[in-house]
Amino acid sequence: GENVEQHPSTLSVQEGDSAVIKCTYSDSASNYFPWYKQELGKRPQLIIDIRSNVGEKKDQRIAVTLNKTAKHFSLHITETQPEDSAVYFCAASRTGRRALTFGSGTRLQVQP
Amino acid sequence: GAVVSQHPSWVICKSGTSVKIECRSLDFQATTMFWYRQFPKQSLMLMATSNEGSKATYEQGVEKDKFLINHASLTLSTLTVTSAHPEDSSFYICSARASENTYEQYFGPGTRLTVT
Repeated sequence: GENVEQHPSTLSVQEGDSAVIKCTYSDSASNYFPWYKQELGKRPQLIIDIRSNVGEKKDQRIAVTLNKTAKHFSLHITETQPEDSAVYFCAASRTGRRALTFGSGTRLQVQP
Repeated sequence: GAVVSQHPSWVICKSGTSVKIECRSLDFQATTMFWYRQFPKQSLMLMATSNEGSKATYEQGVEKDKFLINHASLTLSTLTVTSAHPEDSSFYICSARASENTYEQYFGPGTRLTVT
């Protein structure tokens, strides 16, 4: 089955700095790579996703890059704000009746 | 947008009793629903995949006789934790996918189960 590794486990940045979180996956058939933000006790919230036919996607301060050859994808948050502080999870799956396989999570702390 | 609800949002039960958690897709029909479990400060771990009208597929290490899943309609899946023990205390989250050809999954708000 799929295995997703995520780094770092914790990340502390100053407000306004950029944050980068990296994930690798094992199943070359995976074709969908979402990123979720989860606040304590809440459901995961989709913040951006990318499909395997695209190498990069951007939405305001958030961007995701995908390298299919190396089987890794990254989340980039620019101009971080204190409200960006949360746990971020990467995930991978494919279409069909396949569930998401989640990374282990990154706790992002943005210091004001 | 697609909305998934869960009920209850939290529940406290005594060891040895059973608890049922409902997951509903409110504005779409879900051919597949997934049940995840999340322990404190850990990631979401898939427990089982539930397809409407057929038996659920359980992940390795998840006891199917302990975690009963029923997906009786295209908008409702239930998870019953039988003979609950304190180690079953966790955050249970369901998600739903509209069809096999879609990518996105929509998450329910989760159910916090505490077994005393």
